[in-house]
Amino acid sequence: DTAVSQTPKYLVTQMGNDKSIKCEQNLGHDTMYWYKQDSKKFLKIMFSYNNKELIINETVPNRFSPKSPDKAHLNLHINSLELGDSAVYFCASSYLAGEEQYFGPGTRLTVT
Amino acid sequence: AQTVTQSQPEMSVQEAETVTLSCTYDTSESDYYLFWYKQPPSRQMILVIRQEAYKQQNATENRFSVNFQKAAKSFSLKISDSQLGDAAMYFCAYRSAAGTYKYIFGTGTRLKVLA
Repeated sequence: DTAVSQTPKYLVTQMGNDKSIKCEQNLGHDTMYWYKQDSKKFLKIMFSYNNKELIINETVPNRFSPKSPDKAHLNLHINSLELGDSAVYFCASSYLAGEEQYFGPGTRLTVT
Repeated sequence: AQTVTQSQPEMSVQEAETVTLSCTYDTSESDYYLFWYKQPPSRQMILVIRQEAYKQQNATENRFSVNFQKAAKSFSLKISDSQLGDAAMYFCAYRSAAGTYKYIFGTGTRLKVLA
């Protein structure tokens, strides 16, 4: 009974391709997040959705497009992948006014 | 804007000893949450401990405790009786208690535990 799951866990692709990462949570939370962790382990928020509504949209290239079909799912689609997109992408969830976030296992994206 | 600073990129501790990881933050808000997360080599982010800013009492979870100094905007993590399994990256995080409730993470401290 995984709380926050992501698929795939590893993704290797070539520059210029389009790829998606899926995230699902079964905790009943109303808010979900995408983070990017770079090679120096710096963790930076990209997007956040509350009940399918975008509430945080950091300065991220518009090649990145999140989609939340319902409050239990938040997917990340990336167009025209670049070398600099290589990173680990984490999904997380929480209650909006709650305390801690629960993280998924991460997706390591490698762009060659 | 809020910021979180972890000034120790790497720390080492002997097994069974005590180590303290530092974290400072900057905010103009009076109500917020602070967290320490652990990221072992498996890369899973695991919550270690949390502190509500309105509580004066320092949070404790088994061998983990914090020293929360609100006026100084300091939130250090003390790990007692260090174990090999404590070796990981440790991230300090701040969360607003209003607005978008955005989380901000520090740059992390890599903790090595020496046998």
